[in-house]
Amino acid sequence: QKEVEQNSGPLSVPEGAIASLNCTYSDRVSQSFFWYRQYSGKSPELIMSIYSNGDKEDGRFTAQLNKASQYVSLLIRDSQPSDSATYLCAVLSGNTGKLIFGQGTTLQVKP
Amino acid sequence: EAQVTQNPRYLITVTGKKLTVTCSQNMNHEYMSWYRQDPGLGLRQIYYSMNVEVTDKGDVPEGYKVSRKEKRNFPLILESPSPNQTSLYFCASSLSGGDGYTFGSGTRLTVV
Repeated sequence: QKEVEQNSGPLSVPEGAIASLNCTYSDRVSQSFFWYRQYSGKSPELIMSIYSNGDKEDGRFTAQLNKASQYVSLLIRDSQPSDSATYLCAVLSGNTGKLIFGQGTTLQVKP
Repeated sequence: EAQVTQNPRYLITVTGKKLTVTCSQNMNHEYMSWYRQDPGLGLRQIYYSMNVEVTDKGDVPEGYKVSRKEKRNFPLILESPSPNQTSLYFCASSLSGGDGYTFGSGTRLTVV
């Protein structure tokens, strides 16, 4: 089992729709969870962090965390073509400073 | 401007010729890390450092060395590069690890 798993996609949504991206992790003691956005040929950019169960909203982005189910998700409301990118879920190892990434989900927002 | 600076951005080299990719951050971050990114394999951690003179192996350390002699710099050294080290490399830094990492712009390395 991979430490952080994501569906590679592509996930295709129409402009204006809600995009839902999911991630599961295996380390039960992890406490810090992140979503990064990576445009083709660019470096990953941190867009959301979440540390406790529940929802965290920032603009059009909502991160959701369920530690019991070891599940993290990212919702993007009112999706725009500029949101088309690969979204990387990352989990900070519970005992070290290691940040472990999933393989990423490619999102395509179609005008 | 707060940033992580990697050099060079692009590098083509020959098998066996030692090289160093530099990484520097100006945010006084404690944590620094190197990743490589390959199609289908995602971002994989090579080495990381939680403080000066403290480094630890990531998931794919073979063929790489690092040093952390001062807080701001974390160079990646390939003593004898091989073609399977052709990849896109990212350096990243973080204040505490738990606040997330900031990534450099990347170094695209080709070993022929």
